[in-house]
Amino acid sequence: ILNVEQSPQSLHVQEGDSTNFTCSFPSSNFYALHWYRWETAKSPEALFVMTLNGDEKKKGRISATLNTKEGYSYLYIKGSQPEDSATYLCALPLNAGGTSYGKLTFGQGTILTVHP
Amino acid sequence: DTEVTQTPKHLVMGMTNKKSLKCEQHMGHRAMYWYKQKAKKPPELMFVYSYEKLSINESVPSRFSPECPNSSLLNLHLHALQPEDSALYLCASSQDANRGLWTDTQYFGPGTRLTVL
Repeated sequence: ILNVEQSPQSLHVQEGDSTNFTCSFPSSNFYALHWYRWETAKSPEALFVMTLNGDEKKKGRISATLNTKEGYSYLYIKGSQPEDSATYLCALPLNAGGTSYGKLTFGQGTILTVHP
Repeated sequence: DTEVTQTPKHLVMGMTNKKSLKCEQHMGHRAMYWYKQKAKKPPELMFVYSYEKLSINESVPSRFSPECPNSSLLNLHLHALQPEDSALYLCASSQDANRGLWTDTQYFGPGTRLTVL
């Protein structure tokens, strides 16, 4: 993996379903991984910042895990609700160091639609 | 207050116009960012300001001119844009881009939807 990749591109689930999606990234020179939720016509909202291999973070019904050795993070949503419909983005600092502080590379995002 | 505000929400301009986008935050953040987001693509970084100084310019054409008048404000001046510059322009801020801490969360505004005719 040379870049940040997210799968699937889009996902349709029924209300109450649990779902998960993946962010894959280069496993070398890992510094941190950010998850954002972006609802239509709103600002991207930070969900989690993850740094340690094996990290698990939770916010309500949303949780995320991190595997830096194999280069992936999973985002889980338990009991999806229509208000969870959004684009979920992960972002990492690639080519970190030097003067590149603050530079995040975003994945393409997973578009989640939760049907009532 | 974790809000980043951006004005205007929508902007339509001709290729000969000069316009400016504005971004403001009152969280005491010392790093501010401009991103460009085209439809169905992820946000792409354009500029980073740290302590009111430009620290990253991602080879952005000179028709985009950023300005950081103070630690709370960030402007993006637009001149002689092309139709392909039509996009959503997002502003973000974070505590400090100089600390080398990649855990600093970037807080985003809602964006300005720019259309160049």
